[in-house]
Amino acid sequence: DAGVIQSPRHEVTEMGQEVTLRCKPISGHDYLFWYRQTMMRGLELLIYFNNNVPIDDSGMPEDRFSAKMPNASFSTLKIQPSEPRDSAVYFCASSFNEGTEAFFGQGTRLTVV
Amino acid sequence: AQKVTQAQTEISVVEKEDVTLDCVYETRDTTYYLFWYKQPPSGELVFLIRRNSFDEQNEISGRYSWNFQKSTSSFNFTITASQVVDSAVYFCALSEVTSGSARQLTFGSGTQLTVLP
Repeated sequence: DAGVIQSPRHEVTEMGQEVTLRCKPISGHDYLFWYRQTMMRGLELLIYFNNNVPIDDSGMPEDRFSAKMPNASFSTLKIQPSEPRDSAVYFCASSFNEGTEAFFGQGTRLTVV
Repeated sequence: AQKVTQAQTEISVVEKEDVTLDCVYETRDTTYYLFWYKQPPSGELVFLIRRNSFDEQNEISGRYSWNFQKSTSSFNFTITASQVVDSAVYFCALSEVTSGSARQLTFGSGTQLTVLP
């Protein structure tokens, strides 16, 4: 398996624009997580899905953020409208079962100018 | 609430030295999982080890070893004979199990390890 695949690797956008981050989890993994990493806040969970259903989105910063998982092999994280404070590295991760290790994608480095 | 503390923000050692990275956790659950991840300069997060709360046996994998002590709520990571390629940020993480379902990972703030040649 190729591991968790995220796209794009880098994204630079202007404030106010819509940004969509994409993730393909490892096949057979039932859990998918979106994390954000910043210098100030470290690694923080935004939302996670179990069998394509959002379970906990309490980490989503505000209504500008939304995430979907239309099927077992694809998820998106959308920011609309984007703001400079959204600049961070966004990681997608998947795990086989609850309590098992999560495998991370290479991340998307988002810069909002 | 669960919490993971990595008090060492940065550590520098010279190649071939041994180094221990500390991790202290807080949880009210009796069942939980502990993890270590490595983040090299390239930025990806690499899984190193998972431990469940019922297994206090120490583990060794090559130059890596882990010491889990429930009495002190610690899960420390030792690299023996460090190498320059070990330079990275290392994260300790905790996942609680409540009502049979494990929750998401809570990460510590990370320790930046620099191994000098």
